[in-house]
Amino acid sequence: KNEVEQSPQNLTAQEGEFITINCSYSVGISALHWLQQHPGGGIVSLFMLSSGKKKHGRLIATINIQEKHSSLHITASHPRDSAVYICAVNDMRGAQKLVFGQGTRLTINP
Amino acid sequence: NAGVTQTPKFQVLKTGQSMTLQCAQDMNHNSMYWYRQDPGMGLRLIYYSASEGTTDKGEVPNGYNVSRLNKREFSLRLESAAPSQTSVYFCASRTQWGGGQPQHFGDGTRLSIL
Repeated sequence: KNEVEQSPQNLTAQEGEFITINCSYSVGISALHWLQQHPGGGIVSLFMLSSGKKKHGRLIATINIQEKHSSLHITASHPRDSAVYICAVNDMRGAQKLVFGQGTRLTINP
Repeated sequence: NAGVTQTPKFQVLKTGQSMTLQCAQDMNHNSMYWYRQDPGMGLRLIYYSASEGTTDKGEVPNGYNVSRLNKREFSLRLESAAPSQTSVYFCASRTQWGGGQPQHFGDGTRLSIL
């Protein structure tokens, strides 16, 4: 079993829909990251959080430390949001290495 | 405003050939990383350098070597390429080892081993 699990693996939605991507982890962490990878490959950090909730534009990330779970929400989704979204955690073992989920491929149709 | 620069972006090698992937960052970061990304799997750490002058093995180091040439540059070498090393390679950096600072990624190198 992977230490970081994302669901769903693939998600297709219509423009304007509210999107939720989930991330569960099984290790102790100091922080959780949400990353975005567009077609063409570049990876960009969206959020880093250790508690509560963060918002940037139409993106919202939440984390529940007790339940070892995080969600990434996208409101009023747009085709340009189509990308792979990756959850990663700073594992408190192993000198704070990042452990990555497999990613969620999101496709927003016009 | 370059951030993390990787070269080359694409490369095709024959089995047994050697090559070096280059990575440079201009953000004065102390820590640098090399990952590989394979279909259906998360990014996996090959090697990292917590600070200039140090390097350590990650999750999948076999078949690779690294050099932290200076604070800016961290190279990954394949001495004798194998088809199993076909992958997309990402270099990343962050301010320092430890803590929860975000990593900054390069655009990746797509490597095919025939």
